[in-house]
Amino acid sequence: SQQGEEDPQALSIQEGENATMNCSYKTSINNLQWYRQNSGRGLVHLILIRSNEREKHSGRLRVTLDTSKKSSSLLITASRAADTASYFCATDEEETSGSRLTFGEGTQLTVNP
Amino acid sequence: DAGVIQSPRHEVTEMGQEVTLRCKPISGHDYLFWYRQTMMRGLELLIYFNNNVPIDDSGMPEDRFSAKMPNASFSTLKIQPSEPRDSAVYFCASSPWTGGGYYGYTFGSGTRLTVV
Repeated sequence: SQQGEEDPQALSIQEGENATMNCSYKTSINNLQWYRQNSGRGLVHLILIRSNEREKHSGRLRVTLDTSKKSSSLLITASRAADTASYFCATDEEETSGSRLTFGEGTQLTVNP
Repeated sequence: DAGVIQSPRHEVTEMGQEVTLRCKPISGHDYLFWYRQTMMRGLELLIYFNNNVPIDDSGMPEDRFSAKMPNASFSTLKIQPSEPRDSAVYFCASSPWTGGGYYGYTFGSGTRLTVV
């Protein structure tokens, strides 16, 4: 089963608006990562946040992590049509450290021009 | 670097045939991962290698699937015999660190497999 669960499953917004996607997970983690997947393409790494970090920024992306609630959010500010894609969270679990990332099921974001 | 290179991009084969998917990871990346993506099951890890050695193949669905990494620059995923339920997009990814480290995984563009 997937470690991460994204919410919502699908999100449709207008260009210029902000998009917020959430990810919940079940076990203790070393880090949490967000990836983007454009239709028909591979996943692209966006940002990584470590378990001892609470917030991280990269350009128009802002990621927060609440380890007490086992949740993370990805905020895309001033969205553009080119941001239309699926977004996945992935966790590096403490239990399987030295092993692999476990991906959630993704949020499909549509940004309308 | 050209990134992670997968071939072929698309493969259509008949049930019962052998299918071989290929991957060239980024030079210097010690970890190589094979994932399968379907609408029903999302992204599933099939197997991963560290320094060409298979570490965890618990995700390989059954004995029809096998993977090899004969050297640091090449890996194959083979399905023999193939079945319609194997239809999916297969991704190869590589990373210099387990768990993605600082920079995450780098994914290839995938192989879309259709078994008819």
